[in-house]
Amino acid sequence: QKEVEQDPGPLSVPEGAIVSLNCTYSNSAFQYFMWYRQYSRKGPELLMYTYSSGNKEDGRFTAQVDKSSKYISLFIRDSQPSDSATYLCAMRVPGIRSEKLVFGKGTKLTVNP
Amino acid sequence: EAGVTQFPSHSVIEKGQTVTLRCDPISGHDNLYWYRRVMGKEIKFLLHFVKESKQDESGMPNNRFLAERTGGTYSTLKVQPAELEDSGVYFCASSQVRRGGQETQYFGPGTRLLVL
Repeated sequence: QKEVEQDPGPLSVPEGAIVSLNCTYSNSAFQYFMWYRQYSRKGPELLMYTYSSGNKEDGRFTAQVDKSSKYISLFIRDSQPSDSATYLCAMRVPGIRSEKLVFGKGTKLTVNP
Repeated sequence: EAGVTQFPSHSVIEKGQTVTLRCDPISGHDNLYWYRRVMGKEIKFLLHFVKESKQDESGMPNNRFLAERTGGTYSTLKVQPAELEDSGVYFCASSQVRRGGQETQYFGPGTRLLVL
């Protein structure tokens, strides 16, 4: 079983739609949860960072963590064509020696004008 | 402030050849990470430097891969000899030494390696 599972999509939505992206994980030691956005031919860019369970909102983006279910979500409201990218969930175990990230495969999102 | 830079952006080599990838982290970042994405797979951790020391190299696939970070500034990742399965995108990321738990890793654009 992979440590992090993420549906790769692709996901295509009309402009203005609410987008829901999800990841599940198996390692209960994960405590930090991130969403990265990656545009084509670019490196991943941190979008949201959450610690432990709960919601975190930043503009049109909301990150949600449910540690009891080992499930994280990213919601995008009023989606825009500029949101078209691959969205990667990432997690890490706070470690003494290393802070390596474990990634999902990424979900490719296209927002159509 | 300049971001993480990587060189070259693309490299096409033949099986058995040697390739060296370079990463320049954000100035002042002590943490430097190498990750790799093989086609169809997720981004996977290779290794982590703190300054010039290897903190964690548990993700290095085999001894054909050698990473260095002389002087604690830029880092190189050498693949010798390259095999077909080494093809992929190699990402470098850097971060500040952790303060209070939150650490943001800033990624470079990646080097696309194709081994023929």
